[in-house]
Amino acid sequence: EADIYQTPRYLVIGTGKKITLECSQTMGHDKMYWYQQDPGMELHLIHYSYGVNSTEKGDLSSESTVSRIRTEHFPLTLESARPSHTSQYLCASSGTYGSLRGYTFGSGTRLTVV
Amino acid sequence: GQQLNQSPQSMFIQEGEDVSMNCTSSSIFNTWLWYKQDPGEGPVLLIALYKAGELTSNGRLTAQFGITRKDSFLNISASIPSDVGIYFCAGQNYGGSQGNLIFGKGTKLSVKP
Repeated sequence: EADIYQTPRYLVIGTGKKITLECSQTMGHDKMYWYQQDPGMELHLIHYSYGVNSTEKGDLSSESTVSRIRTEHFPLTLESARPSHTSQYLCASSGTYGSLRGYTFGSGTRLTVV
Repeated sequence: GQQLNQSPQSMFIQEGEDVSMNCTSSSIFNTWLWYKQDPGEGPVLLIALYKAGELTSNGRLTAQFGITRKDSFLNISASIPSDVGIYFCAGQNYGGSQGNLIFGKGTKLSVKP
């Protein structure tokens, strides 16, 4: 079944550690996105990609970085985690240009930095 | 940039009641979408609207694309406890970064049994 997968679901990590949040989709979607969301709050776009080797910063400034080496894979990396990075991170994907069917979201990674 | 005003911000209702929420924008959109986010999960698409004036239902949910293309509303009839969650509206246009969804800030729905 075509879907979008995020791992890990939950991560508790110490300050200063490097972390990578994984996101993979099996739908062949060109576009992928990362959102940051505090519990019960609005969605903030932090990164997006329109295809392989394409990455753009979103509306909310973030210390994280992303890469898009393969169509199906869009990992997010924090070089040195801080307590201010504690949040939920949601990955999403959408079809090609002209496909106005919205995004498919993963289940999210709940990150806690202690 | 484009912004969506979603209201109300939160609702606390009795089971069985009807719910209404809406989104307005200062600019037009070609598509309006409504998502629901359960606690601890990612948002899931409920309804997508593609034409001004369009009225679409999905079970107990009904959504409309405003005639001016600057607003949309979502109604939930006879609410049940599993309707609890955050409802997001989103607008979308064609092309480039404008093809990105613009999300409202969400309506948090709580249902009292």
